[in-house]
Amino acid sequence: KNQVEQSPQSLIILERKNCTLQCNYTVSPFSNLRWYKQDTGRGPVSLTIMTFSENTKSNGRYTATLDADTKQSSLHITASQLSDSASYICVAGGSQGNLIFGKGTKLSVKP
Amino acid sequence: GAVVSQHPSWVICKSGTSVKIECRSLDFQATTMFWYRQFPKQSLMLMATSNEGSKATYEQGVEKDKFLINHASLTLSTLTVTSAHPEDSSFYICSAINGQGSYEQYFGPGTRLTVT
Repeated sequence: KNQVEQSPQSLIILERKNCTLQCNYTVSPFSNLRWYKQDTGRGPVSLTIMTFSENTKSNGRYTATLDADTKQSSLHITASQLSDSASYICVAGGSQGNLIFGKGTKLSVKP
Repeated sequence: GAVVSQHPSWVICKSGTSVKIECRSLDFQATTMFWYRQFPKQSLMLMATSNEGSKATYEQGVEKDKFLINHASLTLSTLTVTSAHPEDSSFYICSAINGQGSYEQYFGPGTRLTVT
């Protein structure tokens, strides 16, 4: 069964600290791995998209990694800001264009 | 670029009535649009995929007669929730692909539907 598991479910960190969110996926055939940021009551906004052949991709303070062998991905946030408080959703894309969404990690950045 | 808008952003309707939600790609032509539903603390669930000028493809378990989707142009898709019931209350999000073969899906801001 295609599925995406994220951990932790929620996370609280202090401003300017770093954090890493985890994602394990079981999607076959696999094509790409995406990370989205979703503010409460808003649609998801793309952070990174990696194809199965890419190992890492950065977008400002966000760095995503992908290990297609172990089917794991991570999203590292550097020097967190209050505005980083949101849900971060890991999405695995299948070769047929299907997307499998994780439930997200809710991040709260406190001053 | 690649902005997707939704209207309305929120709507409250009475049980038994129908509600139409619009999804527009503002600065690109969307050959394919998707409709998702998201319940609190849950992941986005794909409801249907619509291609311009053809019938939508619904996911298993989604009633096509209840959730009417029309993709009449390359910039507009509509979702009509017919005979709405309280259990249809949810956050509805659309997304669009800019051209075929693109990985990128651009999401709209969502529409909060509350059925009383």
